[in-house]
Amino acid sequence: EVQLVESGGGLVQPGRSLKLSCAASGFTFSNYYMAWVRQAPKKGLEWVATISTSGSRTYYPDSVKGRFTISRDNAKSSLYLQMNSLKSEDTATYYCARHTSTTHFDYWGQGVMVTVSS
Amino acid sequence: IQMTQSPSLLSASVGDRVTLSCKAGQNINNYLAWYQQKLGEAPKLLIYNANSLQTGIPSRFSGSGSGTDFTLTISSLQPEDVATYFCQQYYSGYTFGAGTKLELK
Repeated sequence: EVQLVESGGGLVQPGRSLKLSCAASGFTFSNYYMAWVRQAPKKGLEWVATISTSGSRTYYPDSVKGRFTISRDNAKSSLYLQMNSLKSEDTATYYCARHTSTTHFDYWGQGVMVTVSS
Repeated sequence: IQMTQSPSLLSASVGDRVTLSCKAGQNINNYLAWYQQKLGEAPKLLIYNANSLQTGIPSRFSGSGSGTDFTLTISSLQPEDVATYFCQQYYSGYTFGAGTKLELK
């Protein structure tokens, strides 16, 4: 059974940093692209970042480019999201997701809440 | 690419045939997925490539369309189908629609 478990969320002040983690199991992690998708409170979904199987290629939307960094450790079956210069508009639930063939997201974690507020 | 879903709220009865719409701001071929999100849960993939049913999803769910107009159909609404449904394009980048909230009448 595919499982994705996020951790590392919490309350952080504007301008500060936070690093999210996602532990994967139930599939061969190194064979899949992985992604982060977020959902602001009572809002829709927004793709945040994608990383290739080896970690050599990363992709971001303009809204987070230069502030967020996605990375992975295939030996640990783990995905990460380093978030710097956080803004109030980054407040959201962040989901780790398996990004099949860089098309759709076929498995999602339960999400971790990040609140950016002073 | 902007994705527009309609209606934003839909009320239907158990057993009804339900149709949800998703329109893309430009041609996206068939690069479209549908997700179901129940209250307090993570999204679940239902349909990909506009009409391919994800493994384990009941056959009452189906998707159709290509180009700019897409539809998710539930052939016979069940109580457990109460949720918000999102479409997502992957033709250029990845963007989601704002969702259709489906409730029981």
